[in-house]
Amino acid sequence: NAGVTQTPKFRVLKTGQSMTLLCAQDMNHEYMYWYRQDPGMGLRLIHYSVGEGTTAKGEVPDGYNVSRLKKQNFLLGLESAAPSQTSVYFCASSYLRGPQETQYFGPGTRLLVL
Amino acid sequence: AQSVTQLGSHVSVSEGALVLLRCNYSSSVPPYLFWYVQYPNQGLQLLLKYTSAATLVKGINGFEAEFKKSETSFHLTKPSAHMSDAAEYFCAVSVHTGGGNKLTFGTGTQLKVEL
Repeated sequence: NAGVTQTPKFRVLKTGQSMTLLCAQDMNHEYMYWYRQDPGMGLRLIHYSVGEGTTAKGEVPDGYNVSRLKKQNFLLGLESAAPSQTSVYFCASSYLRGPQETQYFGPGTRLLVL
Repeated sequence: AQSVTQLGSHVSVSEGALVLLRCNYSSSVPPYLFWYVQYPNQGLQLLLKYTSAATLVKGINGFEAEFKKSETSFHLTKPSAHMSDAAEYFCAVSVHTGGGNKLTFGTGTQLKVEL
């Protein structure tokens, strides 16, 4: 049981390049989330998904797209990377819908946009 | 809208001393509150959570937190700090929306433990 895994662990992009971050979970969780973490700002929600085939915007969605074609995978895409997207990206998942549910986090992807 | 304030972005304690990390929340509905810990270069791990069952919540690694509605606080404590407690700690509040549970995080407190 690997929990939540993220690929890649680290990536350097040039401005304007595109890339996809992959999140996978093996806990059969319905809900998945993408956050970004920036110094002094905590974690902020980018997009989330309440089930296979569904996605919704979070707090800071601009410049990102997501897809949830399979229940266990949640992809985060950057179509045209900008230096402001330099950050650490965390994926999380939870089993049930209630606000008391624990979110389980992956190890993160460090992205540097030059 | 809900929010979380963590007082003190950096806290330093001596090994064996009391750890106190402060968290105050704002929520228009009864909140669910979480403390997560992040060790260097790792993801976030749940320490403990308040779900209204008991105001004093015990978590892993000897940490506990007390929910005080009158003070809108959920401070994290540990009686005796260990070197392995050095990490960043995040307080978060959760409210139910139409789409899953949304966590709102504080800005984090970096805990340093000195010999």
